[in-house]
Amino acid sequence: SQQGEEDPQALSIQEGENATMNCSYKTSINNLQWYRQNSGRGLVHLILIRSNEREKHSGRLRVTLDTSKKSSSLLITASRAADTASYFCATGTSGANSKLTFGKGITLSVRP
Amino acid sequence: NAGVMQNPRHLVRRRGQEARLRCSPMKGHSHVYWYRQLPEEGLKFMVYLQKENIIDESGMPKERFSAEFPKEGPSILRIQQVVRGDSAAYFCASSPRTNEKLFFGSGTQLSVL
Repeated sequence: SQQGEEDPQALSIQEGENATMNCSYKTSINNLQWYRQNSGRGLVHLILIRSNEREKHSGRLRVTLDTSKKSSSLLITASRAADTASYFCATGTSGANSKLTFGKGITLSVRP
Repeated sequence: NAGVMQNPRHLVRRRGQEARLRCSPMKGHSHVYWYRQLPEEGLKFMVYLQKENIIDESGMPKERFSAEFPKEGPSILRIQQVVRGDSAAYFCASSPRTNEKLFFGSGTQLSVL
């Protein structure tokens, strides 16, 4: 079953603008991760935020986590055409044998 | 340190044949995960293995599908008697521990004719 659900499904913005993508989940988590996938390629890890963290930054990326609302957002600032890709959130539950469960993804198009 | 290696990159099989997908995790990684992706969809978990053990196979169909991660050599996802519905991209990922980031391979695109 799908744990994370991203919103919107597709996003088109102009280069230089900020892109905000949201993810909601249903059950308690240990951590939430965001990945990027270029067409026909494997996923690349972007950022991991643990359940006791509220915000994390990595370069032009900013991730927030609200465990009370069971939601997360990924902000890409000053977008570039090269940011065009699909973005997925994934959640990991607590426990020694936890696996990551992925959402369906958001397609981001950045127009030059 | 080479990344996660998957082969073949593309695999074409006729209905009823067997498909074997290989995955070599990153050096030092003992956790291997297999996911399946259909066009325009997210990744669906299939199986989670640690060396010589299947930890969670809840996402893998009980018939025709099997996975292993032997003490020596790559992890293998095996699909027997393939059907057209098995056509998809199969991704392998590895990590050194649970609840850490995953490193993905480039995937195997399986096409069943």
